[in-house]
Amino acid sequence: QQPVQSPQAVILREGEDAVINCSSSKALYSVHWYRQKHGEAPVFLMILLKGGEQKGHEKISASFNEKKQQSSLYLTASQLSYSGTYFCGTENMGRRALTFGSGTRLQVQP
Amino acid sequence: DTGVSQDPRHKITKRGQNVTFRCDPISEHNRLYWYRQTLGQGPEFLTYFQNEAQLEKSRLLSDRFSAERPKGSFSTLEIQRTEQGDSAMYLCASSPRPGLGPSSTDTQYFGPGTRLTVL
Repeated sequence: QQPVQSPQAVILREGEDAVINCSSSKALYSVHWYRQKHGEAPVFLMILLKGGEQKGHEKISASFNEKKQQSSLYLTASQLSYSGTYFCGTENMGRRALTFGSGTRLQVQP
Repeated sequence: DTGVSQDPRHKITKRGQNVTFRCDPISEHNRLYWYRQTLGQGPEFLTYFQNEAQLEKSRLLSDRFSAERPKGSFSTLEIQRTEQGDSAMYLCASSPRPGLGPSSTDTQYFGPGTRLTVL
């Protein structure tokens, strides 16, 4: 079953912060976050593993709440280059492939 | 360029024709995935290979779709008797052998995709 992402879209001014949420109705082993720009392939951002810690990449970090089967992506002091669609991909028990959400469209304006 | 490559990047075909796409994964990645993405949606899983073995197929993969990875390196995805509903971006991803840990999935690196348009 597809994970649910929220919000569906967000518009930010450069320098503002944003949080993107991803929730699943099934037990998760891991959550993978990707960013995709229009017409391009999804680019890997980070992976959150069950039992793992919050991961970070520069001003982008994420958390994984195993009890709630939720993950959140935190974008701090957003830059124009952060614009794109963010997808979470979830790994469930017994499956090797990822199930992706519908995405969150993020637009950072100057 | 050592990333995942796909060929062709664009394909326009008429309904009823057969098409074949190729994916070359990152060298030494033993896992290869095919996904399909339509406008405004996330990638949808189609099938997965570990080396040359096709270990999982989605119910989305009708009998008109077939995928191979004959020598555990590149892979092909063939669609027979194409339909307009097959129009989408077909993405390939590869991942290395996972390390120790609870997750059986390692980071998947995506190729640029093949955009299929069925007229």
